[in-house]
Amino acid sequence: NAGVTQTPKFQVLKTGQSMTLQCAQDMNHNSMYWYRQDPGMGLRLIYYSASEGTTDKGEVPNGYNVSRLNKREFSLRLESAAPSQTSVYFCASRDQGTQAFFGQGTRLTVV
Amino acid sequence: GESVGLHLPTLSVQEGDNSIINCAYSNSASDYFIWYKQESGKGPQFIIDIRSNMDKRQGQRVTVLLNKTVKHLSLQIAATQPGDSAVYFCAESFIFGKGTRLHILP
Repeated sequence: NAGVTQTPKFQVLKTGQSMTLQCAQDMNHNSMYWYRQDPGMGLRLIYYSASEGTTDKGEVPNGYNVSRLNKREFSLRLESAAPSQTSVYFCASRDQGTQAFFGQGTRLTVV
Repeated sequence: GESVGLHLPTLSVQEGDNSIINCAYSNSASDYFIWYKQESGKGPQFIIDIRSNMDKRQGQRVTVLLNKTVKHLSLQIAATQPGDSAVYFCAESFIFGKGTRLHILP
C-alpha cells in the first residue's frame, strides 16, 4: 500500500519551460489536492478535485493547470515556468470529513 | 474569506515539559479540524482530529482542545521528546495554517 506517490521528487526548470507533476493515490479517495509550500508560508492550496471529473481553484491557481485523469491520478501542469514557482509541491488525497494523506513532495527550482 | 492561522511561528520547549501550540480559525461554520506534523523533508502527517460537536479529544501523548466560542483550537503534547521536533499545522478540512516550528531544548 503506497499511499500517495508523487513524481518527480526533484526538478530544475529554466524559465519558460513546461512540465507536469504527477500524483497517484491507491486509497480510493474521492478528493485530491495540490499545495505549494514556501518558507514561512505554510501550505497554500493551488487546485483541488473534490471528486472524479471536477476541479476547482484554490488560493494560488495562477500559472497552473490540473487534470483529474481518473479517480487515482491528479496532475499539475506548469505551462511556462517562472522563478516565482520555485517551491515544494505536495499532493494529497482524502475523503470528505477525514484526514488527508500526503505524498513526499516535489522540490522544483526554476532558474 | 476562510483562513486558519497560528499565534506563534516558533515555540521552544524543554525536553520533558508539555508543549501547547495554538491555532485560530475564522469560519464559524467549520466542523472538522486536524493537526498535522511535518518533519524535515517529508509531507505532513496526521496527528489528531476533532469535530465541532466535541470540545476535547485525546490521543497518545496528544490532546486537542476546541473552543468554538472564540474560534480557537490547541494541540497539547505531553512530556515533549526530541522526536517531537517538527512543524505543526492546524487545518480546517483541507485549508492549512502557516505552521508552528517546535524546538526541543535538551
